[in-house]
Amino acid sequence: ILNVEQSPQSLHVQEGDSTNFTCSFPSSNFYALHWYRWETAKSPEALFVMTLNGDEKKKGRISATLNTKEGYSYLYIKGSQPEDSATYLCAFIPPLYGGSQGNLIFGKGTKLSVKP
Amino acid sequence: DAGVIQSPRHEVTEMGQEVTLRCKPISGHNSLFWYRQTMMRGLELLIYFNNNVPIDDSGMPEDRFSAKMPNASFSTLKIQPSEPRDSAVYFCASSRGGNQETQYFGPGTRLLVL
Repeated sequence: ILNVEQSPQSLHVQEGDSTNFTCSFPSSNFYALHWYRWETAKSPEALFVMTLNGDEKKKGRISATLNTKEGYSYLYIKGSQPEDSATYLCAFIPPLYGGSQGNLIFGKGTKLSVKP
Repeated sequence: DAGVIQSPRHEVTEMGQEVTLRCKPISGHNSLFWYRQTMMRGLELLIYFNNNVPIDDSGMPEDRFSAKMPNASFSTLKIQPSEPRDSAVYFCASSRGGNQETQYFGPGTRLLVL
């Protein structure tokens, strides 16, 4: 069974703090990795799709890196704001036979709370 | 664009009843995904369609669950008969093509089976 682990499970920071969390996945099987931001009572919102080892993506104050050889991705938030409070999910996609894409396997998420 | 549309937003039903959840993907997207979210298991992919064809339904829990996509703009997820353990939030998402593309999620259907 392929497992995706996210850490920490939850994080409480003060406004202005920078923070980062980790998504770990099996390094032997990789096709792509997605990051999503999920606010309470809303639906998941895509942040990044990452496919290449060494990929770095940035969207405003949020950035992500990918290391497929060691099986991890980091998500960074610079200068956290209260509106960044949400659960951040990563979803790993293993390859399937014949070059087809496998299904998304979601981690349980990191719940971020930013205090004003 | 209106985004992914799901209906109903909330459904309360009794055990044994048939439940049908509906999804309209974003126009022009050719992949559609059904997910289930529970406290215990998090977000799980149930099935996805590419160009209206089911590609992988290995996430569908059991035979009581079925999904169809009769055309590019409509999909249903049916549970018959429903059981209390089916209570969850069911999300539909669509993308331009396959798992590598960004997926856009609908608002979800919150199902409660009594």
